[in-house]
Amino acid sequence: EDQVTQSPEALRLQEGESSSLNCSYTVSGLRGLFWYRQDPGKGPEFLFTLYSAGEEKEKERLKATLTKKESFLHITAPKPEDSATYLCAVQAGGNNRLAFGKGNQVVVIP
Amino acid sequence: EAGVAQSPRYKIIEKRQSVAFWCNPISGHATLYWYQQILGQGPKLLIQFQNNGVVDDSQLPKDRFSAERLKGVDSTLKIQPAKLEDSAVYLCASSLRTGTKNIQYFGAGTRLSVL
Repeated sequence: EDQVTQSPEALRLQEGESSSLNCSYTVSGLRGLFWYRQDPGKGPEFLFTLYSAGEEKEKERLKATLTKKESFLHITAPKPEDSATYLCAVQAGGNNRLAFGKGNQVVVIP
Repeated sequence: EAGVAQSPRYKIIEKRQSVAFWCNPISGHATLYWYQQILGQGPKLLIQFQNNGVVDDSQLPKDRFSAERLKGVDSTLKIQPAKLEDSAVYLCASSLRTGTKNIQYFGAGTRLSVL
């Protein structure tokens, strides 16, 4: 069974304090790794998808990277509006089902 | 472009009652998904439709959960009878097609509380 583990579970950052979130995975035949952002009371919002080791993608203060065993979501100089839960999901196997981790809950303090 | 629409937003029922959720996907999206998200967990896929056919329902508790997508557009998810452990947010998502490189877009979800 596909395994996705995210760490740390919760993170408090001062505004401007850069940090990284980790998503480690164990799958057979990775087809894609997805990062979503989820705000309280809302559905997940798509951020990035990565398909091969070494790939990187950036959007504003966020940068996602992928290796053969894990992905990192780097948050550079975060602002309070970056406070959210960040979900990692892997797509693998013939049915292309997404398997999600539990998420990284990030709070950015002004 | 309109997003994935879900209703109701909230529902409170007693155990052993039945409940239904509705989802309207993004226009033109052939693939529709229902997920269950328990508090503090990531979403778990319940069922996936391609047009009006079921692609994957391996994680759907079929003794109490059912879903349909009759005309390949809207979908309903039903729970009958509900149990306490069904308390969760039920998310609907859609994508253009099934397969890799197809991004899933989520609705806001229906929060179900079973008392």
